[in-house]
Amino acid sequence: AQSVTQLGSHVSVSEGALVLLRCNYSSSVPPYLFWYVQYPNQGLQLLLKYTSAATLVKGINGFEAEFKKSETSFHLTKPSAHMSDAAEYFCAVSVRGAQKLVFGQGTRLTINP
Amino acid sequence: DTAVSQTPKYLVTQMGNDKSIKCEQNLGHDTMYWYKQDSKKFLKIMFSYNNKELIINETVPNRFSPKSPDKAHLNLHINSLELGDSAVYFCASSIPTGQETQYFGPGTRLLVL
Repeated sequence: AQSVTQLGSHVSVSEGALVLLRCNYSSSVPPYLFWYVQYPNQGLQLLLKYTSAATLVKGINGFEAEFKKSETSFHLTKPSAHMSDAAEYFCAVSVRGAQKLVFGQGTRLTINP
Repeated sequence: DTAVSQTPKYLVTQMGNDKSIKCEQNLGHDTMYWYKQDSKKFLKIMFSYNNKELIINETVPNRFSPKSPDKAHLNLHINSLELGDSAVYFCASSIPTGQETQYFGPGTRLLVL
């Protein structure tokens, strides 16, 4: 079975500062990893995903994540936070043939002016 | 054009009632899902359908009955609603390989009084 742990239910950064949202996964087979963003009262939108190609994955809105197998991590970063980045972020794992995503608990990102 | 749509967006009802949520996707995907997001924002798979066939039923009470009349639709009927059913229900769709992006609908916010 797969699982995901997101460290920090709430992260607060200043506008222009580095954003780092942490995600660790557990999987007995090679995983596929996803970051989704949820803005208030909206559905989930894919930011980026790792599917066993390049370990450094670039996504939308300037976000990127690096798959580190040795650390079982897939942390999400953005060099410079913008006010519009304030949202809930979810890390999720899937595997080949799976018919579901397993989500982490989510991290609420707040941006301070 | 909305890729995954859900109706209604909000649903307020009394305990014991029966209600349905409809989902439609125009992406041509074979696989559709229902996820439940609880009050702490935790997302969990409920059901997965592939080509109108039930693939995953993730220990959901049998008061919940999904129905897929065709590949583009997956409806969720809930009998005898309980207070604990209050949540946001998300429909999603994808190509069924595990690594493909799941596209989420806007969610249906259900409140049981």
